[in-house]
Amino acid sequence: GDSVTQMEGPVTLSEEAFLTINCTYTATGYPSLFWYVQYPGEGLQLLLKATKADDKGSNKGFEATYRKETTSFHLEKGSVQVSDSAVYFCALSEGGGSSNTGKLIFGQGTTLQVKP
Amino acid sequence: GAVVSQHPSWVICKSGTSVKIECRSLDFQATTMFWYRQFPKQSLMLMATSNEGSKATYEQGVEKDKFLINHASLTLSTLTVTSAHPEDSSFYICSASPVTNYGYTFGSGTRLTVV
Repeated sequence: GDSVTQMEGPVTLSEEAFLTINCTYTATGYPSLFWYVQYPGEGLQLLLKATKADDKGSNKGFEATYRKETTSFHLEKGSVQVSDSAVYFCALSEGGGSSNTGKLIFGQGTTLQVKP
Repeated sequence: GAVVSQHPSWVICKSGTSVKIECRSLDFQATTMFWYRQFPKQSLMLMATSNEGSKATYEQGVEKDKFLINHASLTLSTLTVTSAHPEDSSFYICSASPVTNYGYTFGSGTRLTVV
């Protein structure tokens, strides 16, 4: 079945450092890919998404490119802030195109800690 | 747009009682909503797909008699944890999307503690 694998955390960075959180996936169809962020005690917020190969999703300085050839969707940010400290989830939508089931399959989450 | 409201945000109940959690789409209609469960420091596990006007579809291993789902309208789905036990304590989150591939909006979650 479809699956998502993220790099294990926690990732600890100093403020203004460059961030990369790796995400790879396996899927039988053509899924859409998502990054969600979860702050302590809260639900998930959509950070960015990409619906087809070579699409780049971006939001709040974060970006990720849908790489079909490497089945990856790595999250990057050029300069992190303390306020970016949270748990980040990579996810894919099961199925693709007309086969989309609407279900999201999540990676295990990566905790980011940014220190001043 | 695409706001999902979940209520309550936290609840404490005694073993053996039932708890109802509501998930509402505030500014769109959702024929399908999803219920997830999250254990501490772990990822989200899909429990079931809530279908408006029909029975929910449960994932393998999820007890449908314990986790009752009702989706009576296009804007409301409820999850009832029946005869709750301490092992049911968890963070429950719902999600919905106005259209496929839009990007699912999640509720703020419900922290259930069974004592």
